[in-house]
Amino acid sequence: GDSVTQMEGPVTLSEEAFLTINCTYTATGYPSLFWYVQYPGEGLQLLLKATKADDKGSNKGFEATYRKETTSFHLEKGSVQVSDSAVYFCALSDRSGNNDMRFGAGTRLTVKP
Amino acid sequence: DTEVTQTPKHLVMGMTNKKSLKCEQHMGHRAMYWYKQKAKKPPELMFVYSYEKLSINESVPSRFSPECPNSSLLNLHLHALQPEDSALYLCASSSRTGLSNYGYTFGSGTRLTVV
Repeated sequence: GDSVTQMEGPVTLSEEAFLTINCTYTATGYPSLFWYVQYPGEGLQLLLKATKADDKGSNKGFEATYRKETTSFHLEKGSVQVSDSAVYFCALSDRSGNNDMRFGAGTRLTVKP
Repeated sequence: DTEVTQTPKHLVMGMTNKKSLKCEQHMGHRAMYWYKQKAKKPPELMFVYSYEKLSINESVPSRFSPECPNSSLLNLHLHALQPEDSALYLCASSSRTGLSNYGYTFGSGTRLTVV
């Protein structure tokens, strides 16, 4: 079945460092791809999405590009802040049936001042 | 209103208790979901409701009983739970129009502890 693999954490960076969190997917169809963020004690928030090849999703300085040839959707940010500390989940959803979301294992990011 | 509201935020229940979790959204979304999330793990799908009908039950034990009384409301009834059912229970909703996929809107969750 469809699945998502993302880099294991935790990831610890200093403020203003460059962030990359790798995500690759396996899907029989042509899924939509998402990044969600979960702050401590909260639910998940949609961070960005892309629905077709070469689409770039972006939000709050974060970016990810839908790469069909490498089946990847890596998350990047040029300069992280302490407030970006959270768990980041890569996810996919197929376009048929019930539109259910499949999540990667999550990557915990800690940004130190 | 662009939120999914879950109540209660915290719940402690005994193994013989009956309780219910509530989820509400007023965004006109016709798909609603229950997820279970254990500590340091991703959310696991439990149930999917589409147009108020149960469309997916991911082999969830019968001690969890979902209900969708109307298009804005989703309940999860709990009975005779086990301590290993302690987790964060997340509700989500999404808009489904053909092939369009806008992602999910999640609630903040109910932190459930079974004692």
